Amino acid sequence: QITLKESGPTLVKPTQTLTLTCTFSGFSLSTSGVGVGWIRQPPGKALEWLALIFWDDDKRYSPSLKSRLTISKDTSESQVVLIMTNVDPVDTATYYCAHRNILDHDAFDFWGPGTVVTVSS
Amino acid sequence: QPVLTQPPSASASLGASVTLTCTLSSGFSDYRVDWYQQRPGKGPRFVMRGGTGGIVGSRGDGIPDRFSVLGSGLNRYLTIENIQEEDESDYHCGAHHGSGNIFIVVFGGGTKLTVL
Repeated sequence: QITLKESGPTLVKPTQTLTLTCTFSGFSLSTSGVGVGWIRQPPGKALEWLALIFWDDDKRYSPSLKSRLTISKDTSESQVVLIMTNVDPVDTATYYCAHRNILDHDAFDFWGPGTVVTVSS
Repeated sequence: QPVLTQPPSASASLGASVTLTCTLSSGFSDYRVDWYQQRPGKGPRFVMRGGTGGIVGSRGDGIPDRFSVLGSGLNRYLTIENIQEEDESDYHCGAHHGSGNIFIVVFGGGTKLTVL
């Protein structure tokens, strides 16, 4: 059974750095084809893809946010970390991590419950 | 990269059927889209992937066969038959665009389905 859970601060001040952690179980990020992505959703708005890391450490970023994002994995700890620098109130959103397997659905087929992040001074 | 457009709202009566639409931008008629269900206050749930030929691969975990997909031209459709109260959700479509060194995932604006 695949599960994911996001964790991180609920409140961050503008210009600070946001660090989010995705802790997962039921799969390994060292298995060929597997990836973990981050997606966010501002209140009342659409989903927005942020980043994705694959089993082979290939990393992909949203072009509009690439300069501010870093994604990394700790396979032994079953965690994926997303770092976002220089946050702004427009970054206020629910942040989700999700499983992807290019050899199976090749979609975000399992999601965490999300973590709410508010950017405010 | 493709742009996905969804109507903001739809409604259907209990026990009826409804078809939700996701429209790809011009030039992307061969793209498949992924459908996600998001119940109020919850994270999204993968429903299935659909192309012009219908479902691609298998349904997401626990998705009943009341849900089906089709596609025509730039439109991708998610049909829900025999609508239940638990189907009241936001439905999002998504697609990935990969070419060479490019990999991008895009989502539509979502459709809020109300069950009457």
